[in-house]
Amino acid sequence: NAGVTQTPKFQVLKTGQSMTLQCAQDMNHNSMYWYRQDPGMGLRLIYYSASEGTTDKGEVPNGYNVSRLNKREFSLRLESAAPSQTSVYFCASSAQSSVQHFGDGTRLSIL
Amino acid sequence: EDQVTQSPEALRLQEGESSSLNCSYTVSGLRGLFWYRQDPGKGPEFLFTLYSAGEEKEKERLKATLTKKESFLHITAPKPEDSATYLCAVQGPGSNYKLTFGKGTLLTVNP
Repeated sequence: NAGVTQTPKFQVLKTGQSMTLQCAQDMNHNSMYWYRQDPGMGLRLIYYSASEGTTDKGEVPNGYNVSRLNKREFSLRLESAAPSQTSVYFCASSAQSSVQHFGDGTRLSIL
Repeated sequence: EDQVTQSPEALRLQEGESSSLNCSYTVSGLRGLFWYRQDPGKGPEFLFTLYSAGEEKEKERLKATLTKKESFLHITAPKPEDSATYLCAVQGPGSNYKLTFGKGTLLTVNP
């Protein structure tokens, strides 16, 4: 019973490097989300995809791009990583009921 | 803009000592209020959804209540395994299912 799977679990980058965070869900959900969680800031929405083929900006989209590859997969890309993007990144998915189910996160450090 | 404020930021209880966590919110047209539990190194785990003032939901030692301005998460006779961060989130009007999260309350239950 996998739910929402995120890869990798940990990553260290140097400033200016690029990388893609992967997320896949096996619950046949239409909507998927990317959040970042920082100490004292709570969860903040980066991008979301209400359905396959659509994506929209959330609260903190600058420096990120997303791709909804198919109904199962939603990736987050950092084109040129900055130290301010050091954070824990969570992917979530939901059906029409709107309850969001979360993965266990990717811990990203940018030096 | 939707806003969620949780208090206290941290709460330390003795096993069996009941207490409540508060979630105050501002949203133009509440579609739902959500409670999640987050353990260290894990993603948020869904607990409850409340939709209208006066609604209550229970699960084991937890009971969530909702008024027009705030929600309470009551913890009755807590056990050490109830130690976690509890997150509150609101969903406003619209069809995109976005959630606005509070910063959470870190609950520690000592044996």
